[in-house]
Amino acid sequence: AIQMTQSPSSLSASVGDRVTITCRASQGIRNDLGWYQQKPGKAPKVLIYAASSLQSGVPSRFSGSGSGTDFTLTINSLQPEDFATYYCLQDHDYPLTFGGGTKVEIK
Amino acid sequence: EVQLVQSGAEVKKPGESLKISCQGSENSFTTYWIGWVRQMPGQGLEWMGIIYPGDSETRYSPSFQGHVTISADKSITTAYLQWSSLKVSDTAIYYCVRHHVHSSGWRLDYWGQGTLVTVSS
Repeated sequence: AIQMTQSPSSLSASVGDRVTITCRASQGIRNDLGWYQQKPGKAPKVLIYAASSLQSGVPSRFSGSGSGTDFTLTINSLQPEDFATYYCLQDHDYPLTFGGGTKVEIK
Repeated sequence: EVQLVQSGAEVKKPGESLKISCQGSENSFTTYWIGWVRQMPGQGLEWMGIIYPGDSETRYSPSFQGHVTISADKSITTAYLQWSSLKVSDTAIYYCVRHHVHSSGWRLDYWGQGTLVTVSS
């Protein structure tokens, strides 16, 4: 199975900060990667698919980049509602595999 | 709007069987893949497998193959996840999620609300 290594596992940031989360695949996955946000007690929600395509309805402060093995989720000007846990997911091959998650907390 | 409505929380004993459900809100249920994702207490997300309700083709993660069965009844737009013999380690929230095929992969775009399964003696 393709392993997804996500970093950092947690971070503290302030409202207005720019936040970057990275994900590395154990082998090349082209651009077959998505980013998901999960708030406590809620189901995850897709933010980005195909590495850089913004899901409809998601604010433009979220952006994704990368291809091959290295990917980045960037949140520009962090908002109070963005404090959550973020997961990458490779959908290049079965089984689909998630990264370990990044918890974004308030500084 | 697409909705996936899951069955309610369950409390079971080790060794018991269980089948949880996920009902879709639209007739196009049979033209999308529906999958299941596990989240153990305080842990991350794990992809378990998917089914195409149109013809019941399934794909499993090796981590779950043989321990769970994914099925669907397209006539009632419902997908299922079942266990024949639960373990304490099956305690988790289970999400059903629609897998939307796009040009180069999948997009998990609609999620159920989650079903909490607690297995305890």
